Amino acid sequence: RKEVEQDPGPFNVPEGATVAFNCTYSNSASQSFFWYRQDCRKEPKLLMSVYSSGNEDGRFTAQLNRASQYISLLIRDSKLSDSATYLCVVTPNTGTASKLTFGTGTRLQVTL
Amino acid sequence: GAGVSQSPSNKVTEKGKDVELRCDPISGHTALYWYRQSLGQGLEFLIYFQGNSAPDKSGLPSDRFSAERTGGSVSTLTIQRTQQEDSAVYLCASSLAGRNEKLFFGSGTQLSVL
Repeated sequence: RKEVEQDPGPFNVPEGATVAFNCTYSNSASQSFFWYRQDCRKEPKLLMSVYSSGNEDGRFTAQLNRASQYISLLIRDSKLSDSATYLCVVTPNTGTASKLTFGTGTRLQVTL
Repeated sequence: GAGVSQSPSNKVTEKGKDVELRCDPISGHTALYWYRQSLGQGLEFLIYFQGNSAPDKSGLPSDRFSAERTGGSVSTLTIQRTQQEDSAVYLCASSLAGRNEKLFFGSGTQLSVL
């Protein structure tokens, strides 16, 4: 089983739609969780951290379910500019440098 | 510079040759990471440095791969006797000490082994 698993998609949604991605992780010792965004042929960039209580940043909401070992990303009112690959990232440690494990990503295509 | 700088941006080499990839992290970032990404695939962890030491080099695929970091700054990833399966984009990232959640990535080195 992969350490971090994501549905590769693609998710094709119209502008204005709400879309959600899930990501599961196998290491129960994982402590920190993040979503990164990667545009085609570009480097990944941090989208948001995922906190235990869930957190929101504008149209983006991240949730963590430790019992079931998954995290989710919800995008409301999708924009064309949201088209990208969304990478789930987990790491076992907090506060210090450590190995970050990336999922293979979920591709989102927002259309007119 | 303002961001993570990697060189060369593109490298074409022949099978069996050695290559060196360079990463210049953001000034003051003590953690440095190497990942590689094959076409259409996710990021594969290779190694990370805290200062000049490498606490985790578990991702290096074989003993043909090595990396070093000197002066807590520039890092070099060396691949000896390159094979076609080494073809990928090699990404370097850096982060502030104790802030491993925000990695700043360079634009990568596209390595093609013919």
